[in-house]
Amino acid sequence: DQQVKQNSPSLSVQEGRISILNCDYTNSMFDYFLWYKKYPAEGPTFLISISSIKDKNEDGRFTVFLNKSAKHLSLHIVPSQPGDSAVYFCAANMYSGGGADGLTFGKGTHLIIQP
Amino acid sequence: DGGITQSPKYLFRKEGQNVTLSCEQNLNHDAMYWYRQDPGQGLRLIYYSQIVNDFQKGDIAEGYSVSREKKESFPLTVTSAQKNPTAFYLCASSRGTALQAFFGQGTRLTVV
Repeated sequence: DQQVKQNSPSLSVQEGRISILNCDYTNSMFDYFLWYKKYPAEGPTFLISISSIKDKNEDGRFTVFLNKSAKHLSLHIVPSQPGDSAVYFCAANMYSGGGADGLTFGKGTHLIIQP
Repeated sequence: DGGITQSPKYLFRKEGQNVTLSCEQNLNHDAMYWYRQDPGQGLRLIYYSQIVNDFQKGDIAEGYSVSREKKESFPLTVTSAQKNPTAFYLCASSRGTALQAFFGQGTRLTVV
């Protein structure tokens, strides 16, 4: 049973526009969420995170929104650039659980930025 | 430069053979992890270790074994019992809890 879901396998956005990547989760114990970016044949790199005590976190062109009641988070990239083309993974953890027992990942969304 | 290093980048194995993937980190992180990625799949946790000489099974531990004799090192052995070993393997580390886990570049294992 998938606890973190990214229902869009791919997303195509024009350069300069906003990219919105969505993620849903089912486990109400998750209280810390992360987005990772991954290029082919490379390891994921951390992008941005949000704690469940917040509903928004911003870092430059990247903003993550969290809607706890809907168990939904989204990553906004504005403006989208060609280098943003990659697979984006949503991940979740039970931070308050205290243990370093690994992140639970979604299947990823392949973002394609078109010129 | 601090980081996490996986070797080799590409690995070929004959069916029935065990093979060990290396993962080393110099970030002084306590926790280390092994994930597996298959096409169209997210990253699935194989094993994790919170401290030296201790490790726990993840979601898909069958057919794999690990050791954590040193803080810096967390090798993964893919045994002949693993039915579908061909995959991209990722090692990661983090300070305490799995916040901002740092990943290595991955090892692509192909069984021939």
